[in-house]
Amino acid sequence: GQQVMQIPQYQHVQEGEDFTTYCNSSTTLSNIQWYKQRPGGHPVFLIQLVKSGEVKKQKRLTFQFGEAKKNSSLHITATQTTDVGTYFCAGGETDSWGKLQFGAGTQVVVTP
Amino acid sequence: NAGVMQNPRHLVRRRGQEARLRCSPVKGHSHVYWYRQLPEEGLKFMVYLQKENIIDESGMPKERFSAEFPKEGPSILRIQQVVRGDSAAYFCASSLRLGGSNEKLFFGSGTQLSVL
Repeated sequence: GQQVMQIPQYQHVQEGEDFTTYCNSSTTLSNIQWYKQRPGGHPVFLIQLVKSGEVKKQKRLTFQFGEAKKNSSLHITATQTTDVGTYFCAGGETDSWGKLQFGAGTQVVVTP
Repeated sequence: NAGVMQNPRHLVRRRGQEARLRCSPVKGHSHVYWYRQLPEEGLKFMVYLQKENIIDESGMPKERFSAEFPKEGPSILRIQQVVRGDSAAYFCASSLRLGGSNEKLFFGSGTQLSVL
């Protein structure tokens, strides 16, 4: 079955630095979504990418969807303490209802 | 403008007891999903329901687990004869799903189940 893998599992970042988290699927995806979960909280939708090679920006966050629609990345510039949390990618399958398969997440810790 | 409501937030059960987890989707959403999350792990899909129908239960254990989403009232995830391995956070999500493609999911705050 479909597997979605994320790396790194943990990311320690100095405030102000940039970092990137990567997401890879074993199968071609119809779309990919990104969610953020703060410590003790619930996942909150960030963005959805649908087109091959698509790039979307949200302030300091840049999301990319690979040309083959099997990988994605999230790049955060000038990290702030508010960026703390776990970032999950979730791949949508190309079947009738498009079940979302979540990666294990990248847990981000920001050092002031 | 309530989001997805889950209750209880915390549920403690002894081995062998039953756990009932409730989820009321965003008003107007007719699609509900249940996910399980173990500590420091991702979300594992369990079941997808529409009103009165189970669409996909491929992620749900065959025994002891059941889910429903009746015409009236919240969606219920029921775990019978709980074991320690059932301890986890159970998240419910809902979507509007106007078309055939994925809709974004709105998650509830989750129910943390602890089995003693």
